[in-house]
Amino acid sequence: SAVISQKPSRDICQRGTSLTIQCQVDSQVTMMFWYRQQPGQSLTLIATANQGSEATYESGFVIDKFPISRPNLTFSTLTVSNMSPEDSSIYLCSVCYRGEYNEQFFGPGTRLTVL
Amino acid sequence: AQSVAQPEDQVNVAEGNPLTVKCTYSVSGNPYLFWYVQYPNRGLQFLLKYITGDNLVKGSYGFEAEFNKSQTSFHLKKPSALVSDSALYFCAVRDGRGNNRLAFGKGNQVVVIP
Repeated sequence: SAVISQKPSRDICQRGTSLTIQCQVDSQVTMMFWYRQQPGQSLTLIATANQGSEATYESGFVIDKFPISRPNLTFSTLTVSNMSPEDSSIYLCSVCYRGEYNEQFFGPGTRLTVL
Repeated sequence: AQSVAQPEDQVNVAEGNPLTVKCTYSVSGNPYLFWYVQYPNRGLQFLLKYITGDNLVKGSYGFEAEFNKSQTSFHLKKPSALVSDSALYFCAVRDGRGNNRLAFGKGNQVVVIP
């Protein structure tokens, strides 16, 4: 399994500001994903982070709001832009190794509170 | 599009009793099914998966799950629950046609009563 770290682990931010979350993996992975877990809710996929190209966003999520970078096979960032209280969630990074049958491994998450 | 239903919000069970967490799914192709557990203030941990083969899958911490194609179900089970099993459990499915995107159920809070 992968060892995944996220920074920051939690933050409290003001409305209108932006926060960049980092995800670091201890080995090269094929795929990296970003999820959102709103309070009391399940996980919703935001986007697939593609190495060297633009991320692939799910319906309801756009690049202007959630810009994503993936400069190499072990690192990705997610920015939550122009935040509002509705963005208060846990944001999780997950990774998947090459292989059709492989499960995803999840980072510890970043707990974001927007005031 | 794939989807998962976990019909119960909370499952209460006495320590030592059997634990069952229900999951049904909907997917276009062959399903790849997963169970994850989330402890308080922690990320998700992988428990087990069904890809193909034997319908009964064994995973971590004594958990197992049974794939039932006719009922489109993948219920999680443990013969004897521990207090330390108290956590949030998520069922997830992905389409086996190469789509790596996971669809998660809403999660079930399991409370094991000493």
